[in-house]
Amino acid sequence: DGGITQSPKYLFRKEGQNVTLSCEQNLNHDAMYWYRQDPGQGLRLIYYSQIVNDFQKGDIAEGYSVSREKKESFPLTVTSAQKNPTAFYLCASSIGQKETQYFGPGTRLLVL
Amino acid sequence: GQQLNQSPQSMFIQEGEDVSMNCTSSSIFNTWLWYKQDPGEGPVLLIALYKAGELTSNGRLTAQFGITRKDSFLNISASIPSDVGIYFCAGQGPPSGAGSYQLTFGKGTKLSVIP
Repeated sequence: DGGITQSPKYLFRKEGQNVTLSCEQNLNHDAMYWYRQDPGQGLRLIYYSQIVNDFQKGDIAEGYSVSREKKESFPLTVTSAQKNPTAFYLCASSIGQKETQYFGPGTRLLVL
Repeated sequence: GQQLNQSPQSMFIQEGEDVSMNCTSSSIFNTWLWYKQDPGEGPVLLIALYKAGELTSNGRLTAQFGITRKDSFLNISASIPSDVGIYFCAGQGPPSGAGSYQLTFGKGTKLSVIP
């Protein structure tokens, strides 16, 4: 089946720890995105990538890092510098940056 | 950055009733999108609108792209229990100074349907 997968579904982070969230798509989409969702809020853009080996900061990039070494993969690392990481993280992809974005099922990150 | 005002924030309706929600912006958009999100899941695209004045239907859902390009509404007719969820509007483009076509999201309308 074609689609976007995110893993794990739930992730726990200890103080001072870096964690990496996985996002994979087999839709042959060039563009991929990471959003953060907090309760009662809309989605806020963390990072996006229009093409392999290129990515740009979104509105709330501080404390996060990404890589785009393969077209189908866009992992997000939540670093220890992100002081309030508890949130629902959503990955999306689109054929190109002007095209409609489709979302994965999300990863919920909790801090211990 | 651009701001989207989505209303109402939440609504409780009786099964079978019609529902209307809308989004307004201080800036123009080239595209309006409506998504639905179930608890603990990612948003699913319902309707995409690409032209000012466009009216598009998808089953019991109807959405319109406002003539001014600064607003959009979504109507759901004859609501059923599975319509429960959070509905988000999103606007896209024109491109920013960096040339990106970022989406700007409303804060969502939480819909509850009473059987």
